[in-house]
Amino acid sequence: DTAVSQTPKYLVTQMGNDKSIKCEQNLGHDTMYWYKQDSKKFLKIMFSYNNKELIINETVPNRFSPKSPDKAHLNLHINSLELGDSAVYFCASSRRGGGAGANVLTFGAGSRLTVL
Amino acid sequence: GQQVMQIPQYQHVQEGEDFTTYCNSSTTLSNIQWYKQRPGGHPVFLIQLVKSGEVKKQKRLTFQFGEAKKNSSLHITATQTTDVGTYFCAGWRNNNDMRFGAGTRLTVKP
Repeated sequence: DTAVSQTPKYLVTQMGNDKSIKCEQNLGHDTMYWYKQDSKKFLKIMFSYNNKELIINETVPNRFSPKSPDKAHLNLHINSLELGDSAVYFCASSRRGGGAGANVLTFGAGSRLTVL
Repeated sequence: GQQVMQIPQYQHVQEGEDFTTYCNSSTTLSNIQWYKQRPGGHPVFLIQLVKSGEVKKQKRLTFQFGEAKKNSSLHITATQTTDVGTYFCAGWRNNNDMRFGAGTRLTVKP
């Protein structure tokens, strides 16, 4: 199936731990994103990579570090987890440029992070 | 920076009633997109509007892009329980600058 897949789907961990969320897309897209969705459903952009290069880096704590080993993967590592990091994290991908379908985001199913 | 305001935050309707959500941008947009997120799900692309004054329809859904390309609306005629979810607009200023609205959460009472 063509899709954006992210793992794990659920993550429960203690404050202070370090965790990673992985994302892979097989759509042939050149741009990938990480969004954070809080309990109020607001979708906040965190990072965006185009062809493995960081192009959007919003005001996000240094504890969050994205890594894009290739165009099809964008992983998110979080150090020293805090209670406020609890949220659903969505990975998304798109194809840049013009033409039909350009800049249309395809989202993964989300990773629900709970920090205790 | 670019701001995209979306109202209302919540809307509760009786099945069969109409529903509208509105988005306003502080800057002129190159295009605007609409996404729907079902409860427990992820955002799914619905449509993209590019031209000034553009109107597009998808069955009971009507999407409009304002003449100044700063505002947009999504109207659902005769809501059904399957319309339940959160509707987001996404305003693009350029390839690197897109902002989601805060979303409108629609609930439908059967």
